Amino acid sequence: ETGVTQSPTHLIKTRGQQVTLRCSSQSGHNTVSWYQQALGQGPQFIFQYYREEENGRGNFPPRFSGLQFPNYSSELNVNALELDDSALYLCASSFGVATNEKLFFGSGTQLSVL
Amino acid sequence: RKEVEQDPGPFNVPEGATVAFNCTYSNSASQSFFWYRQDCRKEPKLLMSVYSSGNEDGRFTAQLNRASQYISLLIRDSKLSDSATYLCVGTSKRGASKLTFGTGTRLQVTL
Repeated sequence: ETGVTQSPTHLIKTRGQQVTLRCSSQSGHNTVSWYQQALGQGPQFIFQYYREEENGRGNFPPRFSGLQFPNYSSELNVNALELDDSALYLCASSFGVATNEKLFFGSGTQLSVL
Repeated sequence: RKEVEQDPGPFNVPEGATVAFNCTYSNSASQSFFWYRQDCRKEPKLLMSVYSSGNEDGRFTAQLNRASQYISLLIRDSKLSDSATYLCVGTSKRGASKLTFGTGTRLQVTL
C-alpha cells in the first residue's frame, strides 16, 4: 500500500462527455503527477502539481486540466472525451519535485470511452 | 524516435533462467534512471534505481552506461513471481520532474 488513493477505480463514459478523476496523495506529500497509460504502452506524463500550482505539462491538449487542493489532493478533468482517451489514469505523489524523488503511485482509474 | 526505447518482448523463460533486458534513451539531459515493475493493469512499482556504478538487489542487477545511453536489468534465478512487465524509466527536469517511461518489456517465467 502506497497511501495514494484514486477514485473511482473504473469508469465508463461516452464520447463528448466530461470526466473528473480524483487522487488523495500520501500524507506529507505536496506534489502530485498524473499519467495516462494506454493499453500496451508505458505511462505518459500529463502534468504535475506542486503546492497547488501546475508545475509542468506533457504533450496533452487543453481539454486535460487539473487542480490541486490545499490538502494536496488533486483532480484530473477531461472534457469532450474521445475514444482514444480510454486508458488507465495513474496519479503519483511525492515530497518535492527533485528528479530523484521517489514517486508513490495509486492503483489507477480505468477509463473506458464508448 | 521515442525518448526511452525497450524491446516489448515477450520474453518467455523457464524458472531458474537468467534474463537480461536492455533499454536505450535519447535525451542526454536525463538525470536519473529506474526500473519499475508493473503487473497486469496495476500501478507501476519501483524495482530499483540505476547508477553508473551498477547496483544489485538480491537477484536483480541494474547498470547504466551514460556514454552509450544504455540501461540494463539482469534477473538471475528467475521465479514464477517475476512474471510482469518491466518498465525502463528516465527522469528529466524541464519545469517538472517527470518520469519518461519506455513501453515496457513483458517477462513470462514458466515451469
